[in-house]
Amino acid sequence: NAGVTQTPKFRVLKTGQSMTLLCAQDMNHEYMYWYRQDPGMGLRLIHYSVGEGTTAKGEVPDGYNVSRLKKQNFLLGLESAAPSQTSVYFCASSYIPGGLNTEAFFGQGTRLTVV
Amino acid sequence: EDKVVQSPLSLVVHEGDTVTLNCSYEVTNFRSLLWYKQEKKAPTFLFMLTSSGIEKKSGRLSSILDKKELFSILNITATQTGDSAVYLCAVGSLGASKIIFGSGTRLSIRP
Repeated sequence: NAGVTQTPKFRVLKTGQSMTLLCAQDMNHEYMYWYRQDPGMGLRLIHYSVGEGTTAKGEVPDGYNVSRLKKQNFLLGLESAAPSQTSVYFCASSYIPGGLNTEAFFGQGTRLTVV
Repeated sequence: EDKVVQSPLSLVVHEGDTVTLNCSYEVTNFRSLLWYKQEKKAPTFLFMLTSSGIEKKSGRLSSILDKKELFSILNITATQTGDSAVYLCAVGSLGASKIIFGSGTRLSIRP
């Protein structure tokens, strides 16, 4: 069972470059999320989606964009990377009902370094 | 401002010891509190708590919620080296657009 798959696993970007992180889930979940995890900060929600074609801002959305064109995929884009976006990024998904308030299944993370 | 505070930030114990991890919260319209275990990579789900005073158990792990005092504890008995991880507490609220994570407790079990 694949569960939640993130690509790539590692990436180094130069300041100003752009990139897209892909999240794919095969559990037919409606809710999908992107988090970033920084030392001592826990997980912070960047954007989330409650279904195909929908997106919403989370706690720290600035500098990121997302798209959910297909139910199984949730893309996170950085248009112009900054060193402050150096972090570990996690994608997650969960069922309805409950959405954000129920168990979430996480991908293995993407370690992004912006130099 | 909504917040979730975990304590201690880190803890080192010997194998076989019992540990208690704490999570306190201030969240508008509380709905659920979740515990996750994070080893090297992705967090994995442990418990979801919605009602006060009802203990949830899974093997050597147990957790309970106190909605009056706004906290939860996670107990691990007879600890093993495989319990070494960061334990994350998260709280969600009714109709909210986010679920808030604490910064985690790093637990290290020495043989």
